[in-house]
Amino acid sequence: KQEVTQIPAALSVPEGENLVLNCSFTDSAIYNLQWFRQDPGKGLTSLLLIQSSQREQTSGRLNASLDKSSGRSTLYIAASQPGDSATYLCAVRDDKIIFGKGTRLHILP
Amino acid sequence: GAGVSQSPSNKVTEKGKDVELRCDPISGHTALYWYRQSLGQGLEFLIYFQGNSAPDKSGLPSDRFSAERTGGSVSTLTIQRTQQEDSAVYLCASSLVGGPNTGELFFGEGSRLTVL
Repeated sequence: KQEVTQIPAALSVPEGENLVLNCSFTDSAIYNLQWFRQDPGKGLTSLLLIQSSQREQTSGRLNASLDKSSGRSTLYIAASQPGDSATYLCAVRDDKIIFGKGTRLHILP
Repeated sequence: GAGVSQSPSNKVTEKGKDVELRCDPISGHTALYWYRQSLGQGLEFLIYFQGNSAPDKSGLPSDRFSAERTGGSVSTLTIQRTQQEDSAVYLCASSLVGGPNTGELFFGEGSRLTVL
């Protein structure tokens, strides 16, 4: 059974720092992995989708990498801003779409 | 439409009443998913529709929960005889296709259900 883990559960960093969020999964036979952000009281906003054949995807200040063999993905956020404060979730797709519980990120002004 | 639309955004009901939650996916998306998010918890899969195939109902927590998708578009999640533990945010998502070749998953803003 696929399990998705995100560590840490919460993270606070000063504005301007680069940071890395982690996502690990137990079964490497996935089709893709997607990163989302969720603001309080809102739905999930898609950030990046990485297909199983890809190693990374980039969008603006965000870069997501995928290492299927080790069951890991990272989301790199460059030059963090207070507006980046949110909960970040990763989801892997095999026969189902399984979500991690997220990392709550707080950027300190 | 431009995005996944859910209604109502907020619903307060009394224990024992039935509720219906609606999801209008992005036009042309064949895959539709319902998830539940309880306070401080992760996303719990409920049900998945793919085109005209039989839905995957494996995540429905009890027989009080049901969902249908009419004409391959709009979906309704029905909760009968609501209980306080049903209080949660119900999220709907759609993607262009499902299965191995799926595209990006897009979520609606959710329907917050409070059962008194």
